[in-house]
Amino acid sequence: GQNIDQPTEMTATEGAIVQINCTYQTSGFNGLFWYQQHAGEAPTFLSYNVLDGLEEKGRFSSFLSRSKGYSYLLLKELQMKDSASYLCAVNQAGTALIFGKGTTLSVSS
Amino acid sequence: NAGVTQTPKFRILKIGQSMTLQCAQDMNHNYMYWYRQDPGMGLKLIYYSVGAGITDKGEVPNGYNVSRSTTEDFPLRLELAAPSQTSVYFCASSETGLAAGELFFGEGSRLTVL
Repeated sequence: GQNIDQPTEMTATEGAIVQINCTYQTSGFNGLFWYQQHAGEAPTFLSYNVLDGLEEKGRFSSFLSRSKGYSYLLLKELQMKDSASYLCAVNQAGTALIFGKGTTLSVSS
Repeated sequence: NAGVTQTPKFRILKIGQSMTLQCAQDMNHNYMYWYRQDPGMGLKLIYYSVGAGITDKGEVPNGYNVSRSTTEDFPLRLELAAPSQTSVYFCASSETGLAAGELFFGEGSRLTVL
């Protein structure tokens, strides 16, 4: 089976840095994805980690530790448009993505 | 660029009715997926397909059926609609088997069963 945990909600202010954590227990791990989903819209791809370490892409970075079953998404220089749900998803045995319940981030001015 | 197209975008069904959610992609992706998303519950995988003629069950397949007769199309069939199937349904596709490929999602189909 698989279990993916992430906080339900987080709040932050414009210009700040926020870290969204994700822990997972799954068989056949083949990588971890982060997706962003604005209210009423489809998810869009943010990042992918298959090896341990940090992947940086502009204001967003994602980290993976396979031995700890742990990942985080780091958002820097927060903007109002970053208010969204952030979904952690694990590639299970290379066949399909299994998603966590998502973290709703609210950015205030 | 159409990408992944889902129809209908909204639908209200009565209990016991049947319907098909259509999904088509024009990116020549082999892998296609159906997810449902309930409030606060994240995305749950219903069925997926790794190529034409091949389908497999996901996490929550009960009450649904799929077919994959062509690379482009992956319809989802609800045979006897139940209130528990009220949800937002997302179709997605990927070029690779997710080894490094992202999912491309359609805009979603919002289904209400009364």
